[in-house]
Amino acid sequence: SYVLTQPPSVSVAPGKTARITCGGNNIGSKSVHWYQQRPGQAPVVVIYYDGDRPSGIPERFSGSNSGNTATLTISRVEAGDEADYYCQVWDSSSYHWVFGGGTKLTVL
Amino acid sequence: EVQLVESGGGLVQPGGSLRLSCAASGFTFSDHYADWVRQAPGKGLEWVGRSRNKANSYTTEYAASVKGRFSISRDDSKNSLYLQMNSLKTEDTAVYYCAREVGASAFDYWGQGTLVTVSS
Repeated sequence: SYVLTQPPSVSVAPGKTARITCGGNNIGSKSVHWYQQRPGQAPVVVIYYDGDRPSGIPERFSGSNSGNTATLTISRVEAGDEADYYCQVWDSSSYHWVFGGGTKLTVL
Repeated sequence: EVQLVESGGGLVQPGGSLRLSCAASGFTFSDHYADWVRQAPGKGLEWVGRSRNKANSYTTEYAASVKGRFSISRDDSKNSLYLQMNSLKTEDTAVYYCAREVGASAFDYWGQGTLVTVSS
């Protein structure tokens, strides 16, 4: 089965840029979606189709996907960005949705 | 306003059964795929399964961890999605979310979740 690998944690100072990676075999050939989950809340999609942003999501959130790594980039990080972030792809070989293990973003 | 509201969670003994419901409103439920996703306490998200829409014959897919034990159904006349869970195990303890798939792609709306606890 397809596996997505994320770092368990990323720390960043306010105002700096956070990059959260999502590794998978030839993930660049798939569409990657990213979710933000604050404590006690349901996930919210922040990036879909690698780099598209839903309405209401700040322009500070962006995404890229190439080769074996997809990246969620959060610019000018704010305290409110502190949350868990998950990547997601559709594995067409198994007809399964797959989530990465999640990355806890800490704003120092 | 799009809303998804899960219900039916609770405490059940190992080997028991439970049926979760997800009531959808604010959009044409029949047009969309819908999924169940779970999250064990302190753990990450795990996809449980999916129901395609009528145009795609309501076909379903399941994660390997629940295949053969869980069953997804829907009633478009009631704007509802269901998850029938049988032969429950302690490792099925989790918050269960229903989610709407947009264009057979990302999950753009999620419910608030319902907690299922499997314990003796």
